[in-house]
Amino acid sequence: QVQLQESGPGLVKPSETLSLSCSISGVSIRSYYWSWIRQPPGKGLEWIGYISYSGSPDYDPSLKSRVTISVDTSKNQFSLKVDSVTAADTAVYYCARHGPGSAIDHWGQGTHVTVSS
Amino acid sequence: DIVLTQSPGTLSLSPGERATLSCRASQSVSSSYLAWYQQQPGQTPRLLMSDASRRATGIPDRFSGSGSGTDFTLTISRLEPEDFAVYYCQQFSSSPHAFGQGTKLEIK
Repeated sequence: QVQLQESGPGLVKPSETLSLSCSISGVSIRSYYWSWIRQPPGKGLEWIGYISYSGSPDYDPSLKSRVTISVDTSKNQFSLKVDSVTAADTAVYYCARHGPGSAIDHWGQGTHVTVSS
Repeated sequence: DIVLTQSPGTLSLSPGERATLSCRASQSVSSSYLAWYQQQPGQTPRLLMSDASRRATGIPDRFSGSGSGTDFTLTISRLEPEDFAVYYCQQFSSSPHAFGQGTKLEIK
């Protein structure tokens, strides 16, 4: 069965770079599209962006200047980097799977990231 | 960018009642590219509906979706205790694939 697992530091200092990975099991990263979504405390879901292994990533315009999503096919995982973080980047970060032009059908369990000195 | 506006923000109903949740888009969205998700407290979101009206695997038939263009609706025919949660719509017709702000369905 398909499983997604986020990993990375739970605490990041302001102005530094947040780095998360999503390990995929049960399916090849070469299939499907792969997204990052976040949820600030007590708030709704925010789409960050997505990537396919063969295509260019697509980002939310509000984050585009600070975000990089990349794929590592050798490890069957994909990654998220957010530069110059502030307290506003504190959130639960989810990785997720979807088909081209289709809904998210698998989510990781989410990982809490706090931005604080 | 397409903005999705969900209403109401909070819906207070009793078990057994019918719930109607709205998702309105600022521009036309192909119904093939509109999804609904449910998020229970402290849990990961799960897919309820894809293509606006196609129930995801394992979703009971008391959930139904409808709509086209800019107006979409999620209906829960008879509320069960486990249905009280937050519901989000999402469009992936065009980038960015934004979510609506959510509707909280709470027990009255």
